[in-house]
Amino acid sequence: DVKVTQSSRYLVKRTGEKVFLECVQDMDHENMFWYRQDPGLGLRLIYFSYDVKMKEKGDIPEGYSVSREKKERFSLILESASTNQTSMYLCASSLYGARGQAFFGQGTRLTVV
Amino acid sequence: QKEVEQNSGPLSVPEGAIASLNCTYSDRGSQSFFWYRQYSGKSPELIMSIYSNGDKEDGRFTAQLNKASQYVSLLIRDSQPSDSATYLCAPRGANDYKLSFGAGTTVTVRA
Repeated sequence: DVKVTQSSRYLVKRTGEKVFLECVQDMDHENMFWYRQDPGLGLRLIYFSYDVKMKEKGDIPEGYSVSREKKERFSLILESASTNQTSMYLCASSLYGARGQAFFGQGTRLTVV
Repeated sequence: QKEVEQNSGPLSVPEGAIASLNCTYSDRGSQSFFWYRQYSGKSPELIMSIYSNGDKEDGRFTAQLNKASQYVSLLIRDSQPSDSATYLCAPRGANDYKLSFGAGTTVTVRA
């Protein structure tokens, strides 16, 4: 079974802190994604990566950055956390191309106070 | 125009009825279409994928695809309370690195 593991299930951080969300997948997938999910807004793509050290902005990249130093690991960084970044964050991975279904991690519920 | 649009819901159906979920997409290059189910507080999980025009059945679920109309649907027959969840549509093309989802349709099955 594909496994996508996010480092934390729940996080509480203070405004202005630098926050790291880590995601690891064990299926040698090329593609990795970070989404945030808020009530009524669905899954919104923050950043994605299609190879090591390669990254692309998604639909809502402002206030976030990412790092992919190894194929299996994709990190989301909040440079200076703000209360409007309180959300559920979901990491996913997939093979490249049309047949690439996404596998999701368990999600990280981040609260910024 | 959003890339992927789903009927907004929420959709409430009685137990045993058919729930019908719709999804339209803007990218004509989309070749594969995935339906994910997400229970409250959980991550999305894949329940159906369809690649060719027509119908694909898997148990109580039927996906229907019409690429000319840029439309894909999901039917849930004999709906059960355990089908109560949000259903997300995701099209993908052969050269797509990106994977975008519709906003989802929330289904509630009334016992």
